[in-house]
Amino acid sequence: SQQGEEDPQALSIQEGENATMNCSYKTSINNLQWYRQNSGRGLVHLILIRSNEREKHSGRLRVTLDTSKKSSSLLITASRAADTASYFCATGRQGGSEKLVFGKGTKLTVNP
Amino acid sequence: NAGVTQTPKFQVLKTGQSMTLQCAQDMNHEYMSWYRQDPGMGLRLIHYSVGAGITDQGEVPNGYNVSRSTTEDFPLRLLSAAPSQTSVYFCASSPPNPLVQYFGPGTRLTVT
Repeated sequence: SQQGEEDPQALSIQEGENATMNCSYKTSINNLQWYRQNSGRGLVHLILIRSNEREKHSGRLRVTLDTSKKSSSLLITASRAADTASYFCATGRQGGSEKLVFGKGTKLTVNP
Repeated sequence: NAGVTQTPKFQVLKTGQSMTLQCAQDMNHEYMSWYRQDPGMGLRLIHYSVGAGITDQGEVPNGYNVSRSTTEDFPLRLLSAAPSQTSVYFCASSPPNPLVQYFGPGTRLTVT
């Protein structure tokens, strides 16, 4: 069963605006990751945040993690048309699981 | 490095036929996984391996077999194809810690 659930399912914004996607999960985790998938392609890893971290930045990406609420958010600042893709969160469970569990994704469209 | 490669890119099977989806990685990663992606369902784990000679079931293993005789290769076998196995299949590899997945380009399978 899916661990992470992204919200919203779809998001459409204008170039230059910020995009925020959320992920909620159910069980204790040791890390949470965000991936991007361009249409017809495989997923690409964007950023990983560990359970003892609250915020992490990578370029125009900012990820937050609230373990008390079992939720994470991905913020893409100053979006570009090239950011159009689906974004997935994936959780690694506590206890050293060899498996990541993916959510269903948020489809982001950035209009030029 | 080629990363993770998958063959074929597209395949059409008739119900009852069998076939093998190939996956290879050249990053010397210990972990490899197979996922299927269906519209609105996100990625679901089929089988995974934590090293040569070791495999285990994921969330949706029925109808699929895997083996891991080398670190590089992780083929997925469909024993008797069914229309419910129509999907896009992704192979991924990862170092063990943290479990960051590197995905192949996918195989689009249609079973008629």
